[in-house]
Amino acid sequence: NAGVMQNPRHLVRRRGQEARLRCSPMKGHSHVYWYRQLPEEGLKFMVYLQKENIIDESGMPKERFSAEFPKEGPSILRIQQVVRGDSAAYFCASSPVAGNYGYTFGSGTRLTVV
Amino acid sequence: AQTVTQSQPEMSVQEAETVTLSCTYDTSESDYYLFWYKQPPSRQMILVIRQEAYKQQNATENRFSVNFQKAAKSFSLKISDSQLGDAAMYFCAQTSGSRLTFGEGTQLTVNP
Repeated sequence: NAGVMQNPRHLVRRRGQEARLRCSPMKGHSHVYWYRQLPEEGLKFMVYLQKENIIDESGMPKERFSAEFPKEGPSILRIQQVVRGDSAAYFCASSPVAGNYGYTFGSGTRLTVV
Repeated sequence: AQTVTQSQPEMSVQEAETVTLSCTYDTSESDYYLFWYKQPPSRQMILVIRQEAYKQQNATENRFSVNFQKAAKSFSLKISDSQLGDAAMYFCAQTSGSRLTFGEGTQLTVNP
């Protein structure tokens, strides 16, 4: 049973480009969460999705960031027109039911904006 | 808003000794969960231990145990018989609805 799979592991983008981060949850998990970890900081919640629905996006920046979790395929975190401040590790987690029991995290995608 | 505070940015312990990492939290919810996650240099977030707030008994997982003081909103992690593989960043976290609120982390060094 594969864990939460995130790809790519590392992503380098020039300022102004788009970044697409992918997350495949564990088998049987229909709840996906995205977190961002800036250097030397803890993880900060961004968005919570179920299949085809955004449940809580209160942690997402208002502009340039979007997330989806389609009926088929992985969850995608999309960052348009990246800036240096977007450089961070982005973690995806999944759970079989909503919240509270501890998620399973992926290994993260480290985004570097040059 | 929920906050989680880890007051020790760095800690060190001798191999085979015991170390305690501190965590305090702030919540108005009556039902919540608390967690300790370990993040080694590989960056993988690994669940170490989980505590349900309505349970008075402290959680234990092999060499890892917690001291959960609900009234004081304190949730410390004790690592017994420390091993070199325990060296990592440790994060305390608390549920708030379906999200987790994390502390800033404690970097643990294990000295041989």
